[in-house]
Amino acid sequence: EAQVTQNPRYLITVTGKKLTVTCSQNMNHEYMSWYRQDPGLGLRQIYYSMNVEVTDKGDVPEGYKVSRKEKRNFPLILESPSPNQTSLYFCATSAGPFPNQPQHFGDGTRLSIL
Amino acid sequence: LAKTTQPISMDSYEGQEVNITCSHNNIATNDYITWYQQFPSQGPRFIIQGYKTKVTNEVASLFIPADRKSSTLSLPRVSLSDTAVYYCLVGAAAALIFGKGTTLSVSS
Repeated sequence: EAQVTQNPRYLITVTGKKLTVTCSQNMNHEYMSWYRQDPGLGLRQIYYSMNVEVTDKGDVPEGYKVSRKEKRNFPLILESPSPNQTSLYFCATSAGPFPNQPQHFGDGTRLSIL
Repeated sequence: LAKTTQPISMDSYEGQEVNITCSHNNIATNDYITWYQQFPSQGPRFIIQGYKTKVTNEVASLFIPADRKSSTLSLPRVSLSDTAVYYCLVGAAAALIFGKGTTLSVSS
């Protein structure tokens, strides 16, 4: 079964404590991306990756890091989280360039930074 | 990436057909038009994609006029479970902008 798995699904943490949200896919997709979703602002892309070791900034990359060392994994790293990063995060994958190739989304990770 | 414009919200009743129009005046020759559906606290789900004329699947139809400057997502006989946010995306860039979408509310 095609899956995009995010962990954790929920996390409450404190300002400044480094955290990583993992994303793993089993579809052998080359393209992966991270989004955050906030009320009234819709979905905004944070970072995307077109292949292993190839990443680029999306719409709102400040405060985030990513890495793509293997095709199936694309972790999102918050080195020093702040309350304005409290949000619902989604990882997505696609077989080719989006939006011409449909994206498959994970179930989301709800982060609360106190 | 072509800018898209869609209504912020729409209301409907169960059993009606709903048409959501998206305008994309700057669509490029190679661009496809893709629609996603999102329920609260879930990731968006791909609904349908098209390039020109009409595309139909088990969930929806997508109508694209000859000039491709707009597209219409048609949901036949909606039910309460179709209440969701619908996003129209156009373009072939690596970066992706979903925008705020159209919130469809279906009532009984």
